[in-house]
Amino acid sequence: AQSVAQPEDQVNVAEGNPLTVKCTYSVSGNPYLFWYVQYPNRGLQFLLKYITGDNLVKGSYGFEAEFNKSQTSFHLKKPSALVSDSALYFCAVRDIHGSWGKLQFGAGTQVVVTP
Amino acid sequence: SAVISQKPSRDICQRGTSLTIQCQVDSQVTMMFWYRQQPGQSLTLIATANQGSEATYESGFVIDKFPISRPNLTFSTLTVSNMSPEDSSIYLCSVEGVGNTIYFGEGSWLTVV
Repeated sequence: AQSVAQPEDQVNVAEGNPLTVKCTYSVSGNPYLFWYVQYPNRGLQFLLKYITGDNLVKGSYGFEAEFNKSQTSFHLKKPSALVSDSALYFCAVRDIHGSWGKLQFGAGTQVVVTP
Repeated sequence: SAVISQKPSRDICQRGTSLTIQCQVDSQVTMMFWYRQQPGQSLTLIATANQGSEATYESGFVIDKFPISRPNLTFSTLTVSNMSPEDSSIYLCSVEGVGNTIYFGEGSWLTVV
């Protein structure tokens, strides 16, 4: 069975400071990993994904994530946070050996960026 | 990226009634997925909808409560039947786009009173 953990319910950061949102996963095979962002009263927007290749993945809005197989982690990072980055962030894993297309989501991390 | 349109975007419904949510994609896709996001919660997959076959439901979800249609490769509907306040959620349609990326619609925000 696949699972995803986001250990922090909320992350608070000052504008201009680095932002990190943590995610760890568990799958039986090779993972497909995704990050999504949900702004208030909106659906999910795709940020980035790891399928294969370079462990450092760059995505939308200046975000990046590092795949670490030994630590089974896929933390989301942004070097300099903006107030507009305040939103709910979801990590998700797709087990390529399981139900194709099924994403298992983490509980979500609320990011609050203060001016 | 795939452009996904959902209707209605929001609705307030009376308990005991049913509501059908539509999902339209701007390109042909093999599989479409329906997720539910209850208030303050994460997303849970309801079912996978394949064109030409019955939908595959996840544990805890049944066809009588959430019937799904998939008449062609760009369209699907999800019906929430005999609604109760516990069905108040965001219902999201998603598809697999280019490069194995899963894209989501804006969601249908349902309140049952």
